[in-house]
Amino acid sequence: SQKIEQNSEALNIQEGKTATLTCNYTNYSPAYLQWYRQDPGRGPVFLLLIRENEKEKRKERLKVTFDTTLKQSLFHITASQPADSATYLCAHLNTGGFKTIFGAGTRLFVKA
Amino acid sequence: NAGVMQNPRHLVRRRGQEARLRCSPMKGHSHVYWYRQLPEEGLKFMVYLQKENIIDESGMPKERFSAEFPKEGPSILRIQQVVRGDSAAYFCASSPGGLGGRSYNEQFFGPGTRLTVL
Repeated sequence: SQKIEQNSEALNIQEGKTATLTCNYTNYSPAYLQWYRQDPGRGPVFLLLIRENEKEKRKERLKVTFDTTLKQSLFHITASQPADSATYLCAHLNTGGFKTIFGAGTRLFVKA
Repeated sequence: NAGVMQNPRHLVRRRGQEARLRCSPMKGHSHVYWYRQLPEEGLKFMVYLQKENIIDESGMPKERFSAEFPKEGPSILRIQQVVRGDSAAYFCASSPGGLGGRSYNEQFFGPGTRLTVL
């Protein structure tokens, strides 16, 4: 079955460093991968989408890569800040573009 | 432009009661999606609806769960005879009708309804 996996362990980094989160998928080839941010008690907020034919996408301090050979997406936050502390969700969008399948998320803690 | 609205934000039910969760999509959006998030787990797709139509309900449990999106009014997720295992956060998302030149529909999420079954 299609699986999308994220590192369940929390990531702790120092303010100013680059945070790198990993998303792996197995048994399928998604046309798109998305990254969301979720704060406690709130719904996910869309951050970035990357297509299978794009190697990299950037938005301000955020960068996403998509390696179809490794079946992996990496999500980077440069110059991280305590306000970046949240859970980050990787998600796959089905071909029709409506059914979003989420990973379990990785919690990021940025220490001042 | 108000975002996706869900109510109630918190709902407590005893086993065997019914739970009704409401979702008002963003203005101009005609597509609604429901997801369930269990503690320490990711969001799981439940159902995708357009006005008066269920498009995909492949993630809905076969019994006790139903969803509707009437012509007028909010979308409703209904859980009959709730059990403790139904305790979770239920999120609604909406997207605009049509693809606007893209092959996907960006979804905007509401704040969720946290259901607790005693």
